[in-house]
Amino acid sequence: DAGVTQSPTHLIKTRGQHVTLRCSPISGHKSVSWYQQVLGQGPQFIFQYYEKEERGRGNFPDRFSARQFPNYSSELNVNALLLGDSALYLCASSPRPLDRGTQPQHFGDGTRLSIL
Amino acid sequence: GNSVTQMEGPVTLSEEAFLTINCTYTATGYPSLFWYVQYPGEGLQLLLKATKADDKGSNKGFEATYRKETTSFHLEKGSVQVSDSAVYFCALSRDDKIIFGKGTRLHILP
Repeated sequence: DAGVTQSPTHLIKTRGQHVTLRCSPISGHKSVSWYQQVLGQGPQFIFQYYEKEERGRGNFPDRFSARQFPNYSSELNVNALLLGDSALYLCASSPRPLDRGTQPQHFGDGTRLSIL
Repeated sequence: GNSVTQMEGPVTLSEEAFLTINCTYTATGYPSLFWYVQYPGEGLQLLLKATKADDKGSNKGFEATYRKETTSFHLEKGSVQVSDSAVYFCALSRDDKIIFGKGTRLHILP
């Protein structure tokens, strides 16, 4: 079975632009979460979606938004890009939401976003 | 708020040495605890987990015990191999969020 897939693999944007990152979860997984991993740091939680509804939000500005589609795939959108948004963006999926406590997440390989 | 603190790296050991990577957490209630590993050039993989106090997670020779009295989840392995070289992340899951530590880079010398 395919794992979590993310696209694109790499992306270069300039300040002020908008970006959309895409994630397809493992088949049967209904929860998708997004993370930002700055070089040398641990992943920072951005959003969790479950059954197309937002279930959790990290400490990120409103420039960051996301949605989940009926097939459980997800998009992360970032507006008005800043240099500090340069990072690896990770998507993870699990069968059930994080609040059920026991769900390990399966991660994709990420999208590396560079802001010039 | 909830947080995870793990020992800073890099940690360099010789093959067959004993490994401990310390992890402590701050959280309300009873979070679930995880160790993830990121091998060079690869994505994050779940290494082991524990969901309640005194649980011991184990996988690939690694172990960690959920200690509520000391709010710790230290990662241990009795005899490391060169192939264990990677970055290790401690994490907790609570209230629809998962929080990661900053990661510890491990180098194993042959």
